[in-house]
Amino acid sequence: DSGVTQTPKHLITATGQRVTLRCSPRSGDLSVYWYQQSLDQGLQFLIQYYNGEERAKGNILERFSAQQFPDLHSELNLSSLELGDSALYFCASSAPEGWPANEQFFGPGTRLTVL
Amino acid sequence: GQQVMQIPQYQHVQEGEDFTTYCNSSTTLSNIQWYKQRPGGHPVFLIQLVKSGEVKKQKRLTFQFGEAKKNSSLHITATQTTDVGTYFCAGPRRQGGSEKLVFGKGTKLTVNP
Repeated sequence: DSGVTQTPKHLITATGQRVTLRCSPRSGDLSVYWYQQSLDQGLQFLIQYYNGEERAKGNILERFSAQQFPDLHSELNLSSLELGDSALYFCASSAPEGWPANEQFFGPGTRLTVL
Repeated sequence: GQQVMQIPQYQHVQEGEDFTTYCNSSTTLSNIQWYKQRPGGHPVFLIQLVKSGEVKKQKRLTFQFGEAKKNSSLHITATQTTDVGTYFCAGPRRQGGSEKLVFGKGTKLTVNP
């Protein structure tokens, strides 16, 4: 158990819909990262938040957005869903920033299926 | 932008055989991290290498960081069925005032008992 929680575990929805994925980082971790993992694909970095502020952006579609709340939990919003958005979405957290990059602790993931 | 390439993509071995996965970066890395993802699981941090030429061991796993800090390898001696999973390397990339990890596509290891 990494200490990172994600809900829901599974999500099945239809094309065109909107969903929200939730992540709670490890206690004390200020950074939250979101990743997308498609079948046989690696981990595609989407976005990072640090203490409520967006810090880094990856290959995140305009239909996707995220935020980190004062209690440090984060939500990833996916809208106008397409079949290709079906994937595992992982959230990870890490300790307060330092150099070099700190290890990331991954949550169990949310499996999204778009029908 | 910075890319992290990993080979092979798949590796199938008999239990007891050795296994190696290689990671190459297009740019010099300040450090490299390795993660393991079991089937149906999430990535779990294994190790971080920082120094040029660094070698670290964890039981049957040996991690190396190249002298030029652009490549790395993970070697498993005498694989066991518990070694099954996908092994990812990841290197940091500075972006603005922060860092993000760039992951390789991973090497999926299967072990035949």
